[in-house]
Amino acid sequence: SAVISQKPSRDICQRGTSLTIQCQVDSQVTMMFWYRQQPGQSLTLIATANQGSEATYESGFVIDKFPISRPNLTFSTLTVSNMSPEDSSIYLCSVETGQGSSTNYGYTFGSGTRLTVV
Amino acid sequence: ILNVEQSPQSLHVQEGDSTNFTCSFPSSNFYALHWYRWETAKSPEALFVMTLNGDEKKKGRISATLNTKEGYSYLYIKGSQPEDSATYLCAFINQGGKLIFGQGTELSVKP
Repeated sequence: SAVISQKPSRDICQRGTSLTIQCQVDSQVTMMFWYRQQPGQSLTLIATANQGSEATYESGFVIDKFPISRPNLTFSTLTVSNMSPEDSSIYLCSVETGQGSSTNYGYTFGSGTRLTVV
Repeated sequence: ILNVEQSPQSLHVQEGDSTNFTCSFPSSNFYALHWYRWETAKSPEALFVMTLNGDEKKKGRISATLNTKEGYSYLYIKGSQPEDSATYLCAFINQGGKLIFGQGTELSVKP
């Protein structure tokens, strides 16, 4: 199954600044997913990143706040822009463990970025 | 609105105790249910992928059952060990392929 390297693992940022989170996968994948878990809340899908096209955002999430890049089939970045304390969360990237067969194998996740905005 | 509910939110047990927790999900539009274990500072790890009503799956001391008609899944841990301490997440997948997570059950096993 795929192995994902995610960084940074944690950061403390000043409000109003931006942070870019990177995920590198050791194999080519069609779709990469970005999630957020706010304190006490469920993991929530932010957007799906496809190579060669704009990311697809879930309700409540917009490109201006969470711009995503997907320059090739093994790499993606998520930027959290103009941060406020409400953005303090764990951010995770994810791919299907087996291409097109997530129902059989589930999803593989990065180790997460723990963001605190002060 | 789709709701995936997990209970309890947290659980503290002694080493050797057996334990179980519940995931409730919408019984309509079901496609699959996933269970993940998430240890602090690590990646969530897939435990089970379940698709058929009545499925029972086992991995070592951990097992899970699925009832799609009534919309619930149970995760059982037999003889809990300190290394089982983690947050256990379930995720419901609907026919559209969207993954919806519960809030998780945080398990702490004391030696």
